[in-house]
Parts: sequence; structure tokens; C-alpha cells
Amino acid sequence: QQPVQSPQAVILREGEDAVINCSSSKALYSVHWYRQKHGEAPVFLMILLKGGEQKGHDKISASFNEKKQQSSLYLTASQLSYSGTYFCGTGNSGGSNYKLTFGKGTLLTVNP
Amino acid sequence: DGGITQSPKYLFRKEGQNVTLSCEQNLNHDAMYWYRQDPGQGLRLIYYSQIVNDFQKGDIAEGYSVSREKKESFPLTVTSAQKNPTAFYLCATLRGVGNEQFFGPGTRLTVL
Repeated sequence: QQPVQSPQAVILREGEDAVINCSSSKALYSVHWYRQKHGEAPVFLMILLKGGEQKGHDKISASFNEKKQQSSLYLTASQLSYSGTYFCGTGNSGGSNYKLTFGKGTLLTVNP
Repeated sequence: DGGITQSPKYLFRKEGQNVTLSCEQNLNHDAMYWYRQDPGQGLRLIYYSQIVNDFQKGDIAEGYSVSREKKESFPLTVTSAQKNPTAFYLCATLRGVGNEQFFGPGTRLTVL
């Protein structure tokens, strides 16, 4: 079952902030965040792991609420280059059968 | 340079023909994944493999087949049984649980 992302789309002016949410109906081991430009491969932004560990870029922040099975991605002082579709991928477990289930994406447009 | 190669970038086939999409990696990652992407649907998992000579069905495996004879290679065959094969196909690898997933550049398949 795909995680649910909200909002589906958001339009910003350069310098504004945005929050993208990801919610799952299943217990989560990890949440991955990616950004994809049209026709290109997704690019890694951030991983949040059960237990609080985070790996990612300095300018991107995110939170992971294990109890609520939710994650949020925070984009501050947006730049034109932030435009793209953002996907969250939820990891099922820490075991050998590890796989990600992706949401349908959030289209972010940053205008000058 | 380490990375993932998918070829070709664009592929055209007639309806009823099988077609094989190539995915090669030199990252020395054990796990490999195939995703299908349609507009507004996010990335959906077709097949994945954690180790050579072993693979599992993802969420939408019907009409597809894979093999994993070498660690570096994970080809995907789109068979004539796949009802709507036109899509963007992405191959990915994973170094291990809790690490980022690396994506190839993708193959856009169009069935005429």
C-alpha cells in the first residue's frame, strides 16, 4: 500500500518555505526522500531511520514520527532549483527482504 | 566512475513483442530493483533481487520477468502479457538496509 503524500502540488515564490508530508498505514523502519526533475532519475535527499538516525543534505531537513507513521520534509528559503516532484519512500523492515514503497509524489514549483 | 547504466534511453516496440531492458551497475551493491513510473502514480516496484540467483515479485510483477545471473546485471523483460507496457522504467541499487537507493537514468519504453 502506497504511503499518502500531501499536498499533491504546491507553488512557491523564491525564498518561501514549504512542508511536504508523508503518511503510512504500516509500521515503518525507514523513510527516504527523493526529488525528481522531469524525465530524469530521482535524486536522493534524506533518509530517516527508526530510532532517530538521519542521513542527508545540510540544506534539507525532515522529521519522522514513528508512532504516527508519518514524515515531513521541510524546504526553507526555496530556490528555483528546488522545483521538481518530491517522493517519499517507506522502508518495510530492517531485514533481508528490504524494499521501498513510494508515494505518488508532490509537485513543487518555485517561481521567481 | 561508479554508477548504474540503463540502455537504451528510448525504446520503441510493436505490440505483442517481448522486449528486454538492460540494467548494469559497478557499485558492487547486492540489492537491485526495477520500478515502473506512470504520470501521477509515483514509482511502483516490479521485481527486486537481494542476491545473485534470487529475486522476488514486487507490487506489479504480472507481465514482467527478470534474471540475476551476475551481481552487476539485472535485466527486465517486458512480455506481451503486460497489458500497458508504455512507461518510464527505472533500475535502482541499494548498498544495504538504511542506506540511500541509487537510481539509473531510466528507459522510456513506448509500445506502438
